[in-house]
Amino acid sequence: GAVVSQHPSWVICKSGTSVKIECRSLDFQATTMFWYRQFPKQSLMLMATSNEGSKATYEQGVEKDKFLINHASLTLSTLTVTSAHPEDSSFYICSARVPGGLYEQYFGPGTRLTVT
Amino acid sequence: AQSVTQLDSHVSVSEGTPVLLRCNYSSSYSPSLFWYVQHPNKGLQLLLKYTSAATLVKGINGFEAEFKKSETSFHLTKPSAHMSDAAEYFCVVILAYGGSQGNLIFGKGTKLSVKP
Repeated sequence: GAVVSQHPSWVICKSGTSVKIECRSLDFQATTMFWYRQFPKQSLMLMATSNEGSKATYEQGVEKDKFLINHASLTLSTLTVTSAHPEDSSFYICSARVPGGLYEQYFGPGTRLTVT
Repeated sequence: AQSVTQLDSHVSVSEGTPVLLRCNYSSSYSPSLFWYVQHPNKGLQLLLKYTSAATLVKGINGFEAEFKKSETSFHLTKPSAHMSDAAEYFCVVILAYGGSQGNLIFGKGTKLSVKP
């Protein structure tokens, strides 16, 4: 149980275009999902917390107009990187918190974004 | 403030020898601690968790960790390393208070290499 999927697993886009990444909880309903960014050989950096039916909470320094998060249902959160630039190239990982659990999070497999 | 410190950025062992990945935590509260593993270009997988029950926690793939309050440590061990254990390991504490309660605080990671 507690499986989280992400789509796509990797994407290449041109500078100035937008990219949408999906995060789905497959066998449970997740009222809270998280989006992380990971640079090579570094730890995960929390970008935002996504709550179903409400606005996402962004961490300090994360541009909310650039990284649009939508949590429209209890099993789906999306991250849209708008007007992508090469510096946005990174590994994006989502996670979902299991309801009623002790705050542990289950992670998706990640999405490798390359902006050319 | 709560934090975790992984004392080694890189650990190298030979196959069949013991593994020790060190983690110290800082918390004014009784912490909830986790170890996650990340294989290259993959998401994170939960290895084990400590939530104030037994201090010796057994996880998947033969890993275990011992919570030592007197030493503020939560080191990860495995009696005999396997080639498939080569990965990045993250020690994580749950933020216990404040507006971001429930968020994960990651250590910087320890890369485990296993030599044949």
